[in-house]
Amino acid sequence: EAQVTQNPRYLITVTGKKLTVTCSQNMNHEYMSWYRQDPGLGLRQIYYSMNVEVTDKGDVPEGYKVSRKEKRNFPLILESPSPNQTSLYFCASSLIGGAAGELFFGEGSRLTVL
Amino acid sequence: EDQVTQSPEALRLQEGESSSLNCSYTVSGLRGLFWYRQDPGKGPEFLFTLYSAGEEKEKERLKATLTKKESFLHITAPKPEDSATYLCAVQAYESGSRLTFGEGTQLTVNP
Repeated sequence: EAQVTQNPRYLITVTGKKLTVTCSQNMNHEYMSWYRQDPGLGLRQIYYSMNVEVTDKGDVPEGYKVSRKEKRNFPLILESPSPNQTSLYFCASSLIGGAAGELFFGEGSRLTVL
Repeated sequence: EDQVTQSPEALRLQEGESSSLNCSYTVSGLRGLFWYRQDPGKGPEFLFTLYSAGEEKEKERLKATLTKKESFLHITAPKPEDSATYLCAVQAYESGSRLTFGEGTQLTVNP
């Protein structure tokens, strides 16, 4: 089954404690991206990757890091989480960057930073 | 700066009562406009891509249309299972692969 898998789905952590949200896709997609979804602000792009070893900032990259060492994986790293990073996070992928609007989304990771 | 505004924020319909959702956009050089459906607790699910004014796409009870300033998602004879939040997004040529999403319209269809 084609899917984008995120882990963990739910996480409560404390300010400053480094965490990683993993994302894996099994569709051999070139393009992967991270979004956060907040009430009143909609979906906002954090980082994206056009292919292995190629990453770039989205609209709200501050406080986040990413890496793309393998085609299937695109982890999101919060080096020192803060309460304003409490949000619902989605990983998404598409076949190629030019069709980046036709995204497959994961189920989401709800993060709470205390 | 690309902007997307969706209206209404919420819409309640009776089963079988057709209606339309609106997505107004401002973008310099539209590469594509996308509609997604999002169920509670789930990630968005891709529905349609529209590229140029006058284009229409259909899927079951849904039809998406596009003009130079807005897109409509028409829902014909909706059923309770059509209840979801519908998201619109735009991609501009100068923005590369970046998408700008609207905040969505929450649709509830009562039996």
